[in-house]
Amino acid sequence: EDQVTQSPEALRLQEGESSSLNCSYTVSGLRGLFWYRQDPGKGPEFLFTLYSAGEEKEKERLKATLTKKESFLHITAPKPEDSATYLCAVQARIQGAQKLVFGQGTRLTINP
Amino acid sequence: DSGVTQTPKHLITATGQRVTLRCSPRSGDLSVYWYQQSLDQGLQFLIQYYNGEERAKGNILERFSAQQFPDLHSELNLSSLELGDSALYFCASSVGLAGGLGEQFFGPGTRLTVL
Repeated sequence: EDQVTQSPEALRLQEGESSSLNCSYTVSGLRGLFWYRQDPGKGPEFLFTLYSAGEEKEKERLKATLTKKESFLHITAPKPEDSATYLCAVQARIQGAQKLVFGQGTRLTINP
Repeated sequence: DSGVTQTPKHLITATGQRVTLRCSPRSGDLSVYWYQQSLDQGLQFLIQYYNGEERAKGNILERFSAQQFPDLHSELNLSSLELGDSALYFCASSVGLAGGLGEQFFGPGTRLTVL
C-alpha cells in the first residue's frame, strides 16, 4: 500500500535555528514528490516538486531533497513567518489512476 | 492567492441535509480535484475531473457526488449529512494530465459544520 509518513509531527524552533523535516514514502513507481505549506484555516500552497533521487530544489530559506526512500525539507535560519504545517505528498497510481497521497504533515512553530 | 475560488467559505447545516460546494479553477486549468481535510484523517483525495469527465476516485462516499461543467467550474454535492462529515473541503486545480498531476493549486476551502 502506498504510504507517506512525516516526522516529526510537531517541531518548535527558535528564530535562526536551522532544522530538517522528514518525509518517508513507500510507493510503487514514484512519479513525483511534492511539498506544500499550509497556514491554519487556509488551503495548501505549492512549494516544490521533486521527480528523481538526488534532485534538489530551493526557495528562500527552504531546500527540498529527495532520495529513493525519503525527502527532506531543510529550513535554514527560519523566521516566525515560516511557521506553518508542511505537507508532503507522493504521486501514486492507485486503482488505475494517478492520485496524490498526502502525509499527515509537520506543524512547525518558529519562536522569535 | 492561488486563483482557485470556492464558495461558500463557511456552511453550517443539520444532519440529514444536502449541501453543494462550488469551485472555480484557475484560468486555463482543465483538472479539478476535491479533497476533504479533518483533524484525524489529514488531507484525503475524493475525486478528480478533467475537462468535464471523471478521471480518478479516491475515498469518496456514495453519499457524495461531483461534476464539472462545460465552463470548467465544479460542484461537490454532499447528501444525508452526518456529524462525521464536518471538515474542511478543498478544491484544487492543475493544468491537466500532461501538465503534472502534483502541481495542484488549492482554493481557500469550505468549512462544513454538521450539527
